[in-house]
Amino acid sequence: ETGVTQTPRHLVMGMTNKKSLKCEQHLGHNAMYWYKQSAKKPLELMFVYSLEERVENNSVPSRFSPECPNSSHLFLHLHTLQPEDSALYLCASSQDYAGELFFGEGSRLTVL
Amino acid sequence: EDQVTQSPEALRLQEGESSSLNCSYTVSGLRGLFWYRQDPGKGPEFLFTLYSAGEEKEKERLKATLTKKESFLHITAPKPEDSATYLCALKYGNKLVFGAGTILRVKS
Repeated sequence: ETGVTQTPRHLVMGMTNKKSLKCEQHLGHNAMYWYKQSAKKPLELMFVYSLEERVENNSVPSRFSPECPNSSHLFLHLHTLQPEDSALYLCASSQDYAGELFFGEGSRLTVL
Repeated sequence: EDQVTQSPEALRLQEGESSSLNCSYTVSGLRGLFWYRQDPGKGPEFLFTLYSAGEEKEKERLKATLTKKESFLHITAPKPEDSATYLCALKYGNKLVFGAGTILRVKS
């Protein structure tokens, strides 16, 4: 596989569920990102990991919990979400922190 | 105040009708400006990086230019397959800020 792969592509969950989004990059990049994309809004940066260390956490609610076990994998753990959290969650990677981003296809999350 | 503004929000063109999309910015210390294309339900696809005023990049029917205050994405003789949302993003310091995008529809 090449590029950035995200799973699952679609996820429907209740407000009391716990689920995780997974991202894997095959580009040998050093930085990985989670973005939230809601309708008619700019991409919102959620978390950044550079060399497996978290370097940004943009006031994201604690119901979102990231995990970066190595430079190729990134997870976003979800629990007790709200309906307004429904969005497209995009993972990206870049060679260096804040460089050219390469995105995955996204995970479409619906919270009922 | 918005740091990155894209205009228009939406643009409808006839096939072959050339036009331009705009990305204006107010940040100082720009370290790079990126253009992306996003198809519905998919992640953004990287198109160009511009670093300094006067720089231009081309790819097929697309040409990106940069001045000190704005960037243009020129689309020459567009085809229906060029329909997508086009995003610009600015890098300043260690931050990357995205615009809201321009939705382009090209009708045959």
